[in-house]
Formats: sequence, structure tokens, C-alpha cells
Amino acid sequence: QQPVQSPQAVILREGEDAVINCSSSKALYSVHWYRQKHGEAPVFLMILLKGGEQKGHEKISASFNEKKQQSSLYLTASQLSYSGTYFCGPEAQGGSEKLVFGKGTKLTVNP
Amino acid sequence: NAGVTQTPKFQVLKTGQSMTLQCAQDMNHEYMSWYRQDPGMGLRLIHYSVGAGITDQGEVPNGYNVSRSTTEDFPLRLLSAAPSQTSVYFCASRLGTGVYGYTFGSGTRLTVV
Repeated sequence: QQPVQSPQAVILREGEDAVINCSSSKALYSVHWYRQKHGEAPVFLMILLKGGEQKGHEKISASFNEKKQQSSLYLTASQLSYSGTYFCGPEAQGGSEKLVFGKGTKLTVNP
Repeated sequence: NAGVTQTPKFQVLKTGQSMTLQCAQDMNHEYMSWYRQDPGMGLRLIHYSVGAGITDQGEVPNGYNVSRSTTEDFPLRLLSAAPSQTSVYFCASRLGTGVYGYTFGSGTRLTVV
């Protein structure tokens, strides 16, 4: 079953913050986050494991609440380069060979 | 290290034609997957493989076949193309589960007329 991402889209001015949420109906082992710029392939940002610490990439960080089966991606002091569509990909408990993504959150950062 | 290579980059097919989308990786990754991307639908998993000789279905497998005879290659076959298969197709690979993320190919844009 596809995870649910919210919001579907967000528009920011440079320097503003944003949070993207990802919810799953299954007990989770890990959550992947990817970013896709227009016309390009998705790029891996980070993976959060059950019981692991919050991770970061540039000024982008993420948390994973395995009890609530949710993950959140935090974009701090957004830059123009952060524009793109963000996808989460939760992996089921025990690890899974397949990765099913959410529909994505389109982030637009304006000057 | 070329990463994940997909060919062709663009293709136009007529309804009913068959074709194979090629995917090759040179990173010795065990796990490979095919996704299709349509506007508003995100990335949907078609088929995946956890090693040579092992494949399984994803979310939207109908109309597609795969095989994995080597670790490096994971071709996707469209048996009888339909306009509903017009999409951008991405192949991706990763070393394993756990801490490893997917590396994506640059995609194949397929149009079925």
C-alpha cells in the first residue's frame, strides 16, 4: 500500500522552513527520502532506520517515529536549489526487498 | 563507474508493438527495480529483483515482463504496448536492504500511439 505524503505541494520564499510528512499503514523498519528535480531522476537523500538517530543532509534533516509509523523531512532556511519533488519510501518491518514510494511533495522555493 | 544506464532515452511505439527497455549497472548491486512515473501518481513499482534469477511483481506489473540472468542487467519487456503505458520509466539499483539507498538511471520516456 502506498504511503501518504503531506502536503502535496508547498511554495516557499528563500530562507523559509518547511516540513514534509510521510505516513504508512505498516510497521516500519526504515524510511528512505529522495529528491527529484524537474526532468531528472530521483536522487537518494537519506535513510532512517528504526531506533536510529535523526539524520541530516545539508540543511535538510529527517526524523522517524516508528511507533506512529511516520517520518518527517525538515527543510531549514530553504535555498533555491531545494526546489523539486520529494518522495518518501518506507520499508516494512524486518526489511523489504521492494520499495513503494508516496506520490510526492512538490516544493517550490522562490527568490 | 557508469552507475545505472538505461537505453533508449526516448522511444515511440505503436499500439500492439513490443519492445525491451534496457537497464545495466556496474556497481555489483544485488537489488534492482523498475518504476514508472506518471503525472500526479508518483513512482510506481512495476517489478523488482533481489539477485540473478530472482524476480517478483510490484504494484503495477500487468503488461510487463522481466528477467534477471546476470547481476548487471535487468531488462523490462513490454509485450503488447498500449497507450496506458505511455510514461517515464526508471530503473534503480541498490547494494542491499538496510542502510542502502537506490541509485536511479536517467529514465526512458516512452510514448505509445
